[in-house]
Amino acid sequence: GIQVEQSPPDLILQEGANSTLRCNFSDSVNNLQWFHQNPWGQLINLFYIPSGTKQNGRLSATTVATERYSLLYISSSQTTDSGVYFCAVESSGGSNYKLTFGKGTLLTVNP
Amino acid sequence: DTGVSQDPRHKITKRGQNVTFRCDPISEHNRLYWYRQTLGQGPEFLTYFQNEAQLEKSRLLSDRFSAERPKGSFSTLEIQRTEQGDSAMYLCASSLNRGVGEQYFGPGTRLTVT
Repeated sequence: GIQVEQSPPDLILQEGANSTLRCNFSDSVNNLQWFHQNPWGQLINLFYIPSGTKQNGRLSATTVATERYSLLYISSSQTTDSGVYFCAVESSGGSNYKLTFGKGTLLTVNP
Repeated sequence: DTGVSQDPRHKITKRGQNVTFRCDPISEHNRLYWYRQTLGQGPEFLTYFQNEAQLEKSRLLSDRFSAERPKGSFSTLEIQRTEQGDSAMYLCASSLNRGVGEQYFGPGTRLTVT
């Protein structure tokens, strides 16, 4: 099945810093989503971005489908940005729309 | 528009007991998914429904697991004869059956088997 690798696994920032999280995937995809998992375990949708670039406030994402990677940018980070960020993809070779997740990036933003 | 809801949020059970979890998807969504997440890992796919039809089950779903979605609305996930290895967060998600297939997740049910 499709493989999803996220980097870095851990990231520690000072408040106000910028960061880039990367997601590499091994096959073509129909769907790519970025999530933020809060301390209570809730997965919060950040972006649905199988291709192209989107922005939402301090967050933006770019997916280059032909090169099989996606980037999540966080600017002017805040302590509330802390948590685990997941990339998840739906392989275009599949038929059941399931998402395959990476292992996540644990982001810690210190005041 | 209410989101995906799950009940209970937490469940502690003794090994060997049966447990059942419920998921209510977003009302107009006819695709429903169950995932399982263990500590330090990303969620892993368990099973998928389109309306009331269960269309795929992962190899992670042993014979002790069963899922239903009667009438294509809410879904239940039952685990029989629980084992300590079943301890995990069980997540439900739903999506539309047309257009953008973005999945939305519920808050999860955290299962602890003692």
